[in-house]
Amino acid sequence: GAVVSQHPSRVICKSGTSVKIECRSLDFQATTMFWYRQFPKQSLMLMATSNEGSKATYEQGVEKDKFLINHASLTLSTLTVTSAHPEDSSFYICSVQVNTEAFFGQGTRLTVV
Amino acid sequence: DAKTTQPPSMDCAEGRAANLPCNHSTISGNEYVYWYRQIHSQGPQYIIHGLKNNETNEMASLIITEDRKSSTLILPHATLRDTAVYYCIVRVGGYSGAGSYQLTFGKGTKLSVIP
Repeated sequence: GAVVSQHPSRVICKSGTSVKIECRSLDFQATTMFWYRQFPKQSLMLMATSNEGSKATYEQGVEKDKFLINHASLTLSTLTVTSAHPEDSSFYICSVQVNTEAFFGQGTRLTVV
Repeated sequence: DAKTTQPPSMDCAEGRAANLPCNHSTISGNEYVYWYRQIHSQGPQYIIHGLKNNETNEMASLIITEDRKSSTLILPHATLRDTAVYYCIVRVGGYSGAGSYQLTFGKGTKLSVIP
């Protein structure tokens, strides 16, 4: 299956700073990637759909100005959490669709202190 | 996508078969049943999917009832490494436009494999 690499796997940042998370599709050109968020003991929630060369589509309740998504190439999508606050602490996961299957990155654990 | 219902948790003895049920009574004719699992602090992992026939791969078997309103994921010989949250998801198969592949995760079943 497709290999999806996320970086970093874990990050701690100070409140008010910005954090960038990268999602790379290593062996597949992905025109669409998905970003999910998972709070402790909860399920994955779709945040946004990242479209190569165009604006991302955000789910209801997700602030597009806070969670900046850039999908500049077919193999890379980035999620930037701007002006992070402790309530943004979560597990962020990206996904790439290949044919009828979804492949996920290993996730990024963000802790805002 | 149709909703699914799964038991919140299950235990299974190591080496025994783990049978994880899923109800999807409102599934549509063009919707597939997908199973993913998530080991703690990792991204979800694809296991198997099917439309109406039973399916088997190196990881598991998927049994879908004739009316397609429920299914069972079978791990034939559970190991400690199979301890994870298992998600049953139904969605339209095939490509039907950008964004059509997004998955809606429920709460899943937390499977604990016990030595």
